[in-house]
Amino acid sequence: DVKVTQSSRYLVKRTGEKVFLECVQDMDHENMFWYRQDPGLGLRLIYFSYDVKMKEKGDIPEGYSVSREKKERFSLILESASTNQTSMYLCASSPSGQGDYEQYFGPGTRLTVT
Amino acid sequence: AQSVTQPDIHITVSEGASLELRCNYSYGATPYLFWYVQSPGQGLQLLLKYFSGDTLVQGIKGFEAEFKRSQSSFNLRKPSVHWSDAAEYFCAVVPNSGGYQKVTFGTGTKLQVIP
Repeated sequence: DVKVTQSSRYLVKRTGEKVFLECVQDMDHENMFWYRQDPGLGLRLIYFSYDVKMKEKGDIPEGYSVSREKKERFSLILESASTNQTSMYLCASSPSGQGDYEQYFGPGTRLTVT
Repeated sequence: AQSVTQPDIHITVSEGASLELRCNYSYGATPYLFWYVQSPGQGLQLLLKYFSGDTLVQGIKGFEAEFKRSQSSFNLRKPSVHWSDAAEYFCAVVPNSGGYQKVTFGTGTKLQVIP
């Protein structure tokens, strides 16, 4: 069974802290994604990566960075957390290959910044 | 501008009743179309997808969706809803324009099922 895991289900951090959200997939997928999910806004793409050490900005990259040192792991970094980054963060992966866009999601990390 | 719209934020149906969730898109050419479900506390799971061919698509958990080009719609249906279907449902689209294209998700429809 395919699996995407995220390091924490719930996280509480203080304003100004550096925050790391980790995501691991066991499906040997090339593509990995970070979304944030907010009520009424759906899922918004923060960053994605189509290969190791490669990254592309999504729709809302400001305030975030990412790291992909190994194929199975994709990290989202909040350099200096702010209260407006309180949200649900979802990681996803998908195989490469044109026409195959199904994404496999982790359970999410609910981050609260106080 | 390209967009995907789910006009219903919240829908309540009785268990055993039929269900239809609406999805409309605005793209130059027919995009690839998807429906995902998110159960409480879970990530999203793919229900079904449409790339081409038969406009009525069958998915998991007894769901189906119909692509209507004339209406730019891809509505999700289920003939008889079960209490376990209570979840949030997301329509998603990918432009069919070659190369890798990112997925755009709708804002979601939350389904409540009452006994």
